[in-house]
Amino acid sequence: NAGVTQTPKFRILKIGQSMTLQCTQDMNHNYMYWYRQDPGMGLKLIYYSVGAGITDKGEVPNGYNVSRSTTEDFPLRLELAAPSQTSVYFCASRSPTAPNEKLFFGSGTQLSVL
Amino acid sequence: DAKTTQPPSMDCAEGRAANLPCNHSTISGNEYVYWYRQIHSQGPQYIIHGLKNNETNEMASLIITEDRKSSTLILPHATLRDTAVYYCTYTGTASKLTFGTGTRLQVTL
Repeated sequence: NAGVTQTPKFRILKIGQSMTLQCTQDMNHNYMYWYRQDPGMGLKLIYYSVGAGITDKGEVPNGYNVSRSTTEDFPLRLELAAPSQTSVYFCASRSPTAPNEKLFFGSGTQLSVL
Repeated sequence: DAKTTQPPSMDCAEGRAANLPCNHSTISGNEYVYWYRQIHSQGPQYIIHGLKNNETNEMASLIITEDRKSSTLILPHATLRDTAVYYCTYTGTASKLTFGTGTRLQVTL
């Protein structure tokens, strides 16, 4: 069982470039999340989704876009990359049903914008 | 949003118990407390969760106060491999899930 899979693991972008961070889960979870983590800091919520076709902003959504066309996939799009978006990005998913609400995280994408 | 408060850092000697506190005074009656840990820059991993009663699993114990406004994660015999950042949060019917700054636990010889 793969769990939550993120690609790529590493990426270097030039300022102004765009890219999509891929996230897929095989646990049939309705809820999916994107977090970013700056060096030495905690997790900040970028966007989240409660199901296919439904997304909402988190704490730090500016500069990002998401879509959720299927239950399995939740890609994160960076448009016009800026140095401030240098960070580690984590995707996560969970069931909405208590008490099985624990989050499953992917291994992360380390992004540098130069 | 989950609002939690944790000390930024703690030290623990190897072999001793590590007690990590978390304040979650705005938690609702049906929301579970969850604990995760993050080693280096890996993805956070689930440790334990609870609602009202104390819980124990192979990794840790969780003590939740009677008023449910705070909890303590206990690593009974800390090892160097337990050096990590520990996060508490809580979930319920709300789908938005945020984290606080966590506690950086340093286990030393």
